[in-house]
Amino acid sequence: DAGVIQSPRHEVTEMGQEVTLRCKPISGHNSLFWYRQTMMRGLELLIYFNNNVPIDDSGMPEDRFSAKMPNASFSTLKIQPSEPRDSAVYFCASSLVAGATGELFFGEGSRLTVL
Amino acid sequence: GESVGLHLPTLSVQEGDNSIINCAYSNSASDYFIWYKQESGKGPQFIIDIRSNMDKRQGQRVTVLLNKTVKHLSLQIAATQPGDSAVYFCAENRAGNQFYFGTGTSLTVIP
Repeated sequence: DAGVIQSPRHEVTEMGQEVTLRCKPISGHNSLFWYRQTMMRGLELLIYFNNNVPIDDSGMPEDRFSAKMPNASFSTLKIQPSEPRDSAVYFCASSLVAGATGELFFGEGSRLTVL
Repeated sequence: GESVGLHLPTLSVQEGDNSIINCAYSNSASDYFIWYKQESGKGPQFIIDIRSNMDKRQGQRVTVLLNKTVKHLSLQIAATQPGDSAVYFCAENRAGNQFYFGTGTSLTVIP
Protein backbone atom coordinates (compact mmCIF):
# COMPACT_ATOMS: atom_id res chain seq x y z
CA ASP A 1 0.00 0.00 0.00
CA ALA A 2 1.35 3.44 -0.90
CA GLY A 3 0.03 5.08 2.24
CA VAL A 4 -1.55 8.51 2.40
CA ILE A 5 -0.32 10.63 -0.49
CA GLN A 6 -0.16 14.39 -0.28
CA SER A 7 0.76 17.00 -2.85
CA PRO A 8 2.52 19.28 -3.22
CA ARG A 9 5.25 18.49 -0.68
CA HIS A 10 6.38 22.09 -0.72
CA GLU A 11 4.60 25.24 -1.80
CA VAL A 12 5.85 28.79 -1.71
CA THR A 13 3.38 31.47 -2.64
CA GLU A 14 2.71 35.14 -2.17
CA MET A 15 0.14 36.64 0.12
CA GLY A 16 -3.25 36.82 -1.51
CA GLN A 17 -2.77 33.85 -3.77
CA GLU A 18 -4.97 30.77 -3.70
CA VAL A 19 -3.43 27.57 -2.38
CA THR A 20 -4.81 24.08 -2.95
CA LEU A 21 -3.44 21.09 -1.07
CA ARG A 22 -4.36 17.58 -2.14
CA CYS A 23 -4.69 14.25 -0.40
CA LYS A 24 -5.29 10.68 -1.43
CA PRO A 25 -6.19 8.52 1.59
CA ILE A 26 -5.40 4.85 1.97
CA SER A 27 -7.76 2.73 -0.06
CA GLY A 28 -10.57 1.36 2.08
CA HIS A 29 -10.24 3.99 4.79
CA ASN A 30 -13.44 5.94 5.31
CA SER A 31 -12.28 8.71 7.62
CA LEU A 32 -10.04 11.55 6.49
CA PHE A 33 -8.49 14.29 8.58
CA TRP A 34 -6.68 17.54 7.84
CA TYR A 35 -4.20 18.78 10.46
CA ARG A 36 -2.00 21.85 10.58
CA GLN A 37 1.34 21.81 12.39
CA THR A 38 3.24 24.85 13.60
CA MET A 39 5.93 25.29 16.23
CA MET A 40 3.67 27.50 18.29
CA ARG A 41 0.46 25.49 18.22
CA GLY A 42 1.59 21.95 17.45
CA LEU A 43 -0.80 19.66 15.58
CA GLU A 44 -4.25 21.18 15.20
CA LEU A 45 -7.23 19.31 13.80
CA LEU A 46 -8.81 21.43 11.09
CA ILE A 47 -11.57 19.22 9.74
CA TYR A 48 -12.47 15.59 9.35
CA PHE A 49 -14.66 13.63 6.99
CA ASN A 50 -16.48 10.37 7.48
CA ASN A 51 -17.61 8.59 4.31
CA ASN A 52 -16.84 11.78 2.33
CA VAL A 53 -19.10 13.91 4.54
CA PRO A 54 -17.60 16.70 6.67
CA ILE A 55 -18.34 15.85 10.29
CA ASP A 56 -16.55 18.55 12.24
CA ASP A 57 -14.98 21.68 10.75
CA SER A 58 -14.79 23.64 13.98
CA GLY A 59 -11.01 23.71 13.70
CA MET A 60 -11.00 25.54 10.39
CA PRO A 61 -9.44 28.92 11.20
CA GLU A 62 -11.75 31.12 9.17
CA ASP A 63 -13.71 31.44 5.97
CA ARG A 64 -10.55 31.63 3.93
CA PHE A 65 -10.15 27.90 4.52
CA SER A 66 -12.32 25.30 2.84
CA ALA A 67 -12.08 21.54 2.40
CA LYS A 68 -13.82 19.12 0.11
CA MET A 69 -13.97 15.39 -0.38
CA PRO A 70 -15.71 14.70 -3.67
CA ASN A 71 -15.06 10.96 -3.47
CA ALA A 72 -13.50 8.33 -1.23
CA SER A 73 -10.06 8.66 -2.80
CA PHE A 74 -9.50 12.40 -2.92
CA SER A 75 -9.68 15.48 -0.73
CA THR A 76 -8.56 19.08 -1.06
CA LEU A 77 -7.82 21.84 1.41
CA LYS A 78 -8.02 25.29 -0.10
CA ILE A 79 -6.86 28.61 1.29
CA GLN A 80 -8.10 31.72 -0.50
CA PRO A 81 -6.66 34.28 -0.08
CA SER A 82 -3.53 33.02 1.67
CA GLU A 83 -1.76 35.01 4.38
CA PRO A 84 1.74 34.72 5.90
CA ARG A 85 0.27 33.36 9.13
CA ASP A 86 -1.01 30.35 7.18
CA SER A 87 2.57 29.17 6.78
CA ALA A 88 2.72 25.70 8.31
CA VAL A 89 2.94 22.03 7.48
CA TYR A 90 -0.45 20.61 6.58
CA PHE A 91 -1.00 16.92 7.15
CA CYS A 92 -3.67 14.65 5.84
CA ALA A 93 -4.45 11.43 7.69
CA SER A 94 -6.88 8.59 7.15
CA SER A 95 -8.30 5.80 9.25
CA LEU A 96 -10.88 3.07 9.38
CA VAL A 97 -13.85 4.30 11.38
CA ALA A 98 -14.55 0.86 12.75
CA GLY A 99 -10.94 -0.27 12.72
CA ALA A 100 -9.52 -2.42 15.46
CA THR A 101 -7.11 0.24 16.59
CA GLY A 102 -8.52 3.53 15.31
CA GLU A 103 -4.99 4.41 14.28
CA LEU A 104 -4.45 7.46 12.09
CA PHE A 105 -2.12 7.03 9.13
CA PHE A 106 -0.45 10.29 8.16
CA GLY A 107 0.91 11.51 4.88
CA GLU A 108 4.30 13.16 4.61
CA GLY A 109 2.74 16.62 4.78
CA SER A 110 2.63 19.73 2.60
CA ARG A 111 4.92 22.50 3.75
CA LEU A 112 3.35 25.85 2.90
CA THR A 113 5.22 29.13 2.97
CA VAL A 114 3.27 32.31 2.32
CA LEU A 115 5.48 35.34 1.68
CA GLY B 1 -10.19 24.21 29.25
CA GLU B 2 -9.63 20.70 28.07
CA SER B 3 -6.22 20.00 26.61
CA VAL B 4 -3.49 17.50 26.10
CA GLY B 5 -0.12 18.64 27.32
CA LEU B 6 3.39 17.38 27.89
CA HIS B 7 5.54 17.91 30.96
CA LEU B 8 8.91 17.96 29.21
CA PRO B 9 9.35 19.65 25.85
CA THR B 10 12.90 18.26 25.41
CA LEU B 11 14.65 15.15 26.63
CA SER B 12 18.24 13.99 26.10
CA VAL B 13 19.34 10.47 26.96
CA GLN B 14 22.44 8.38 26.51
CA GLU B 15 22.29 5.59 24.00
CA GLY B 16 21.33 2.39 25.75
CA ASP B 17 19.51 4.11 28.59
CA ASN B 18 15.76 3.99 29.06
CA SER B 19 13.61 6.99 28.12
CA ILE B 20 10.39 8.11 29.72
CA ILE B 21 8.14 10.65 28.03
CA ASN B 22 5.15 11.97 29.91
CA CYS B 23 1.79 13.39 28.89
CA ALA B 24 -1.08 14.87 30.86
CA TYR B 25 -4.64 14.97 29.63
CA SER B 26 -7.63 16.67 31.14
CA ASN B 27 -10.65 15.08 29.45
CA SER B 28 -11.80 12.22 31.64
CA ALA B 29 -14.12 11.07 28.85
CA SER B 30 -11.21 10.21 26.56
CA ASP B 31 -11.15 6.45 26.09
CA TYR B 32 -8.32 5.79 23.69
CA PHE B 33 -4.77 7.08 23.51
CA ILE B 34 -1.99 6.77 20.98
CA TRP B 35 1.69 7.65 21.01
CA TYR B 36 3.14 8.89 17.74
CA LYS B 37 6.73 9.40 16.65
CA GLN B 38 7.59 12.13 14.17
CA GLU B 39 10.96 12.26 12.49
CA SER B 40 12.18 15.42 10.81
CA GLY B 41 10.38 16.10 7.53
CA LYS B 42 7.94 13.25 7.95
CA GLY B 43 4.43 12.70 9.18
CA PRO B 44 3.67 11.21 12.61
CA GLN B 45 3.91 7.44 12.81
CA PHE B 46 2.01 5.16 15.17
CA ILE B 47 4.05 3.64 18.00
CA ILE B 48 1.62 2.13 20.46
CA ASP B 49 -1.92 2.63 21.71
CA ILE B 50 -3.89 1.93 24.85
CA ARG B 51 -7.55 1.93 25.74
CA SER B 52 -8.93 3.34 28.93
CA ASN B 53 -9.82 -0.11 30.29
CA MET B 54 -6.11 -0.91 30.50
CA ASP B 55 -3.30 0.59 32.56
CA LYS B 56 -0.32 -0.88 30.74
CA ARG B 57 0.53 -2.11 27.30
CA GLN B 58 3.82 -3.35 25.95
CA GLY B 59 5.24 -3.41 22.47
CA GLN B 60 8.68 -3.98 21.09
CA ARG B 61 10.99 -1.91 23.35
CA VAL B 62 8.10 0.41 24.20
CA THR B 63 5.62 0.42 27.04
CA VAL B 64 2.71 2.77 27.57
CA LEU B 65 1.31 3.37 31.04
CA LEU B 66 -2.04 4.96 31.71
CA ASN B 67 -3.03 6.39 35.07
CA LYS B 68 -6.65 7.47 34.81
CA THR B 69 -6.75 8.69 38.40
CA VAL B 70 -4.35 11.52 37.68
CA LYS B 71 -4.99 11.62 33.92
CA HIS B 72 -1.43 10.80 33.04
CA LEU B 73 0.10 8.87 30.20
CA SER B 74 3.71 7.85 29.74
CA LEU B 75 5.82 6.23 27.05
CA GLN B 76 8.81 4.20 28.08
CA ILE B 77 11.47 3.30 25.54
CA ALA B 78 13.92 0.62 26.58
CA ALA B 79 17.57 0.67 25.48
CA THR B 80 17.15 3.92 23.56
CA GLN B 81 18.87 3.98 20.19
CA PRO B 82 19.95 6.87 17.93
CA GLY B 83 17.08 6.00 15.61
CA ASP B 84 14.69 6.84 18.43
CA SER B 85 15.60 10.53 18.18
CA ALA B 86 12.40 12.27 17.13
CA VAL B 87 9.45 14.25 18.47
CA TYR B 88 6.92 12.16 20.35
CA PHE B 89 3.26 13.09 20.62
CA CYS B 90 0.49 11.68 22.71
CA ALA B 91 -2.98 11.87 21.21
CA GLU B 92 -6.33 11.35 22.86
CA ASN B 93 -9.54 10.23 21.25
CA ARG B 94 -12.25 12.37 22.77
CA ALA B 95 -15.29 11.59 20.72
CA GLY B 96 -15.83 9.23 17.84
CA ASN B 97 -12.77 9.28 15.65
CA GLN B 98 -11.33 12.69 16.56
CA PHE B 99 -7.79 12.76 17.88
CA TYR B 100 -6.25 15.72 19.67
CA PHE B 101 -2.49 15.94 19.98
CA GLY B 102 -0.20 17.27 22.66
CA THR B 103 2.54 19.75 21.85
CA GLY B 104 5.23 17.08 21.60
CA THR B 105 8.49 16.15 23.32
CA SER B 106 11.75 16.21 21.42
CA LEU B 107 13.92 13.20 22.28
CA THR B 108 17.62 13.36 21.51
CA VAL B 109 19.73 10.24 21.90
CA ILE B 110 23.39 10.91 22.63
CA PRO B 111 25.71 8.26 21.17
